[in-house]
Amino acid sequence: KAGVTQTPRYLIKTRGQQVTLSCSPISGHRSVSWYQQTPGQGLQFLFEYFSETQRNKGNFPGRFSGRQFSNSRSEMNVSTLELGDSALYLCASSLLDSNPGQAFFGQGTRLTVV
Amino acid sequence: GDSVTQMEGPVTLSEEAFLTINCTYTATGYPSLFWYVQYPGEGLQLLLKATKADDKGSNKGFEATYRKETTSFHLEKGSVQVSDSAVYFCALPINQAGTALIFGKGTTLSVSS
Repeated sequence: KAGVTQTPRYLIKTRGQQVTLSCSPISGHRSVSWYQQTPGQGLQFLFEYFSETQRNKGNFPGRFSGRQFSNSRSEMNVSTLELGDSALYLCASSLLDSNPGQAFFGQGTRLTVV
Repeated sequence: GDSVTQMEGPVTLSEEAFLTINCTYTATGYPSLFWYVQYPGEGLQLLLKATKADDKGSNKGFEATYRKETTSFHLEKGSVQVSDSAVYFCALPINQAGTALIFGKGTTLSVSS
């Protein structure tokens, strides 16, 4: 079974631009979560989608947004990029069952804002 | 709000040494607790979990016991190997499904032969 796929793996953008990152979850997984990883702040939760609906949201400004499609693939968008948005963005998918389960993470997209 | 605090390291050990990485949490209710590991060049992966108080999670020789009275979930291994060198994260879900996680800052472990 293929794992979580994130594209692109690396991205360089200029301040003020916007960027869209993509995540394809494991087949059958309907929950997709996004995280930002930086050396200073560590791993921070951005948002989670299930069946095309955002269910949980972390403490990030409105410039960070996302969506999920009917096939469970998800995208996140960052508008008006700032230097501080440089980070590794991780996507995770989960198969929901009766107990809190395992989140499967992709390799991430490394975003550099210059 | 909910939070996770773990020792940040780095932790440097010789092969076969005993490992403890401390993790404490603040949460409403009694959530599940997780340890995730990030090996060099690889994605984050679940190492072990415990779903209720007094549960012990274990995997690959690592163990952690969910202690409600001390709100702790310390990670231990009796004899570390070079291949255990990685970054370890303690995590707490903020939703019932466990699909939205808050993480500790991560502890870098380096094991030398």
